[in-house]
Amino acid sequence: AQTVTQSQPEMSVQEAETVTLSCTYDTSESDYYLFWYKQPPSRQMILVIRQEAYKQQNATENRFSVNFQKAAKSFSLKISDSQLGDAAMYFCAYRRAYYGGSQGNLIFGKGTKLSVKP
Amino acid sequence: DTGVSQDPRHKITKRGQNVTFRCDPISEHNRLYWYRQTLGQGPEFLTYFQNEAQLEKSRLLSDRFSAERPKGSFSTLEIQRTEQGDSAMYLCASSVTRDTGGPPYEQYFGPGTRLTVT
Repeated sequence: AQTVTQSQPEMSVQEAETVTLSCTYDTSESDYYLFWYKQPPSRQMILVIRQEAYKQQNATENRFSVNFQKAAKSFSLKISDSQLGDAAMYFCAYRRAYYGGSQGNLIFGKGTKLSVKP
Repeated sequence: DTGVSQDPRHKITKRGQNVTFRCDPISEHNRLYWYRQTLGQGPEFLTYFQNEAQLEKSRLLSDRFSAERPKGSFSTLEIQRTEQGDSAMYLCASSVTRDTGGPPYEQYFGPGTRLTVT
């Protein structure tokens, strides 16, 4: 079974600084997708960034980038120029690549609560 | 707003009562997922539908839980004889499969229904 581990329950960053959130996962499959989701307080979960395992290039979305180390099964999220609006729970998630008949669900880590100090 | 909607947003019920939640996915999305999120944890998969067919259920979905998606549109999740351990946030998400177009594999989440069993 696949598992996702986020070892940092809480992180804090100064506004305009850079912070990195860690995520490791365990799988025996070679093709899969990894995601970072953001869940602001009392608001719905939104996708921050997605990485396809078959792509060697790390995904980037504006101030958000990932460091995907497939051999180490590591998938960290870097937030540059942190803003007050980045404060939220961040969840790392895994999904199998096979979408044909089943197993389309996401497997989440426990999350990291990010605080941004003004 | 054409995102995923859920109703009600909050539900307080007494132990032993039945409750039903509703999820309205994004209109062209053929896949619909239910997750449960307890305090301090990431969402855990419960079940999912492709169109009106329920294709997979997690072992977390006991006999007291039932889900439907008539006509492949909205979905309902019913919990019978609620227990205090059922207290959680129930999240709904929807997505498209490859052959229906759109960003593949991305799940769009609703705001959730927070259930409190007293």
